[in-house]
Amino acid sequence: EVQLVESGGGIVHPGGSLRLSCAASGFTFNSYAMAWVRQAPGEGLEWVSAISATGGSSYYADSVKDRFTISRDSSKNMVFLEMSRLRAEDTAEYYCVKVLNSAVVTYFDFWGQGTLVSVSS
Amino acid sequence: EIVLTQSPATLSLSPGERATLSCRASQSINNYLAWYQQKPGQAPRLLIFEASTRATGIPARFSGSGSGTDFTLTISSLEPEDFAIYYCQQRDNWRATFGQGTKVEIK
Repeated sequence: EVQLVESGGGIVHPGGSLRLSCAASGFTFNSYAMAWVRQAPGEGLEWVSAISATGGSSYYADSVKDRFTISRDSSKNMVFLEMSRLRAEDTAEYYCVKVLNSAVVTYFDFWGQGTLVSVSS
Repeated sequence: EIVLTQSPATLSLSPGERATLSCRASQSINNYLAWYQQKPGQAPRLLIFEASTRATGIPARFSGSGSGTDFTLTISSLEPEDFAIYYCQQRDNWRATFGQGTKVEIK
């Protein structure tokens, strides 16, 4: 059974930093790209970032580019999202997602339960 | 950036009725479109990908169609558990974007 468990969310001041983690299990982690998708309270879904299966390629939404960094540790089956220079508009539930197939930017077939990030002074 | 526009924003129907949801892309995306269902307090669930392929375990009452810029998700006969918010999503080489969602509510 595929499981994705996020952690690291919390309350942070504007301009601050936070690191989200995602522990993956139940599938061959090294064979799939992974991604983060967020959802502001009461709002729709926004793709944030994706990283290839090898970790050699990464992609970002314009709204987070140059502030967020995605990475992965294949020895621990984990994905990370390093967030810096946080803004109020980054407040959201952050979902770790597994991609469906061999592409990096593609569809998302398994989702974690999310971790909440709140940026507030 | 490719923008996806979903309509209607809200669909009020009764169980057993047919639901037809629309997603329009600002430029052609071939068939690179997925549909997700999200219920309150839950993570989204993949229903359809590549415009018309049902994901694993998705009931046959869910079907997707379309290509280019116009896409449709059809629920042939609404079950009580189908009342939820539905999102479309496109993917290109560099990024993914979602539509703003259609809420299917009980009439």
